[in-house]
Amino acid sequence: GNSVTQMEGPVTLSEEAFLTINCTYTATGYPSLFWYVQYPGEGLQLLLKATKADDKGSNKGFEATYRKETTSFHLEKGSVQVSDSAVYFCALTRSTSGNTPLVFGKGTRLSVIA
Amino acid sequence: EAQVTQNPRYLITVTGKKLTVTCSQNMNHEYMSWYRQDPGLGLRQIYYSMNVEVTDKGDVPEGYKVSRKEKRNFPLILESPSPNQTSLYFCASSLSGTGAVHEQYFGPGTRLTVT
Repeated sequence: GNSVTQMEGPVTLSEEAFLTINCTYTATGYPSLFWYVQYPGEGLQLLLKATKADDKGSNKGFEATYRKETTSFHLEKGSVQVSDSAVYFCALTRSTSGNTPLVFGKGTRLSVIA
Repeated sequence: EAQVTQNPRYLITVTGKKLTVTCSQNMNHEYMSWYRQDPGLGLRQIYYSMNVEVTDKGDVPEGYKVSRKEKRNFPLILESPSPNQTSLYFCASSLSGTGAVHEQYFGPGTRLTVT
């Protein structure tokens, strides 16, 4: 079936460090891929998305490229800030008779220290 | 402000006592969905609704019911809660469940504890 695997956390970085959170997926067909972010005490917010191979999603300095050949969608940021501390979820959609649930990875907690 | 609201945000209850968690969106979205979030498991879909009066099971529907009598509301009902339903619940909505991929908007979550 469809699934998402992302690196285990927690990840602790110093401010201005480079961030990579790995995400790989298994899916039939051509899913759309997402990164969601969950700040403490809040719901999930869409961070970025890519809907086809080689697309690059970007937002707030974060980037991820849809790599069909490696079935990956790694999240990167060149210089993290304390305000980036959150839990990050990689997700994909699968379409079954019109339902488009998000299939999530288990989440990676990021802590950025000043 | 476009948003998805859930109530209550926190709830502690006892086994077997029926409860309802409300979800409402003000974006005129057709598609709504409920997820539960558990440590080490991520988020899993409970039920979804493609439109008014159209609902169907997600991946983990056992022990839950939903209804969609109005477009904006999608309550989650636990007829007889059990401790294994202790979890963090999120409601989400999007413009549509078909066609182009639409962003899903999430509510702030409801933390439920069943003792």
